[in-house]
Amino acid sequence: QKEVEQNSGPLSVPEGAIASLNCTYSDRGSQSFFWYRQYSGKSPELIMFIYSNGDKEDGRFTAQLNKASQYVSLLIRDSQPSDSATYLCAPENSGGYQKVTFGIGTKLQVIP
Amino acid sequence: DTEVTQTPKHLVMGMTNKKSLKCEQHMGHRAMYWYKQKAKKPPELMFVYSYEKLSINESVPSRFSPECPNSSLLNLHLHALQPEDSALYLCASSQGHGSPLHFGNGTRLTVT
Repeated sequence: QKEVEQNSGPLSVPEGAIASLNCTYSDRGSQSFFWYRQYSGKSPELIMFIYSNGDKEDGRFTAQLNKASQYVSLLIRDSQPSDSATYLCAPENSGGYQKVTFGIGTKLQVIP
Repeated sequence: DTEVTQTPKHLVMGMTNKKSLKCEQHMGHRAMYWYKQKAKKPPELMFVYSYEKLSINESVPSRFSPECPNSSLLNLHLHALQPEDSALYLCASSQGHGSPLHFGNGTRLTVT
């Protein structure tokens, strides 16, 4: 079983729609979860982090965490063409060694 | 502008060369990371330094040698690399366990 699983996509949504990106992880002890956006040829950029079960909203972005199901998701409302990028799910491994493992990433395409 | 600075932006080296990648941060972060990223793949962890001590080495070949001279600087010394080592090398820093990573812009390395 992979440590972090994401659908590589591409996920295509029309402009203005909600994009839903999903991630499952294997380390049941993970406590910290990060979402990064990466444009082609650029470095990853942090867009959200979440530590507690439930929802966390920041502007057009909502992160959702369910530790019992080992599932974390990212919703992007009112999707814009500029949101077209690869979204990387990154839980921090338990064990106290600050190891952050990335999923393969979901490529999002927002169609104007 | 990124708060983690990596130099050089691009590097071309032969298999017999010795070169170094440099990373600097002034955010007071105590953990620093090296990741390697190949095209269409997620970042892959190489090394983690915590409080200037090496805490994680992900079984990286000895032709890659990390160094953390102080809490703000991180180097990656390269020697006798192979063409398959060509990749984007990313440096990141964080406040520590549970905190998100902040990435530099990366060094695009080509080994000829």
